[in-house]
Amino acid sequence: AQKITQTQPGMFVQEKEAVTLDCTYDTSDPSYGLFWYKQPSSGEMIFLIYQGSYDQQNATEGRYSLNFQKARKSANLVISASQLGDSAMYFCAMREGVNSGGYQKVTFGIGTKLQVIP
Amino acid sequence: DVKVTQSSRYLVKRTGEKVFLECVQDMDHENMFWYRQDPGLGLRLIYFSYDVKMKEKGDIPEGYSVSREKKERFSLILESASTNQTSMYLCAGREGANQPQHFGDGTRLSIL
Repeated sequence: AQKITQTQPGMFVQEKEAVTLDCTYDTSDPSYGLFWYKQPSSGEMIFLIYQGSYDQQNATEGRYSLNFQKARKSANLVISASQLGDSAMYFCAMREGVNSGGYQKVTFGIGTKLQVIP
Repeated sequence: DVKVTQSSRYLVKRTGEKVFLECVQDMDHENMFWYRQDPGLGLRLIYFSYDVKMKEKGDIPEGYSVSREKKERFSLILESASTNQTSMYLCAGREGANQPQHFGDGTRLSIL
């Protein structure tokens, strides 16, 4: 079974609008962590935001926020006020907990390609 | 600043060759990872290491091995390269389980 599912292969958003990129995950471990990364066309992987499974509040970093719905096992990335420079691939990733034996490894989804339209 | 360096940005090899991809980090990180990235498949974990001489298989270890003799260096080895191993290879380091990974620039490997 897929550990991380990103169902949107591609998304378009108008500049200055907000956009939500979907991510659902699958784990039975109570302790885990979720990450979002951005990969521009230049290829580097840029860390955006992190959410721990026990964190009470949704994570926020500048224009990025993570809509964490634990019961639904979803961790959607919200980008507010989109900019042209936000055009990139976006990856959701999960670090599982000790109980599942996946404490050290991190698995990624297939990514969503976001294009910001002027 | 954090630095993960992969020895080659582009590499072309022939089928059957033994190929070494090198990765060096300067952050004293315990954890290091090798992924391959293919269009439509995202990043898939090949191997990871949580300490010197310690390694764990990821999701697609077949056809690959790794070596971690020193903390700062994590090598990926293609024992006998095949054309289906043509891909982008990404190395990453991480300080702790709740910390983000730091990635190298990637090696685009072509097997002819």
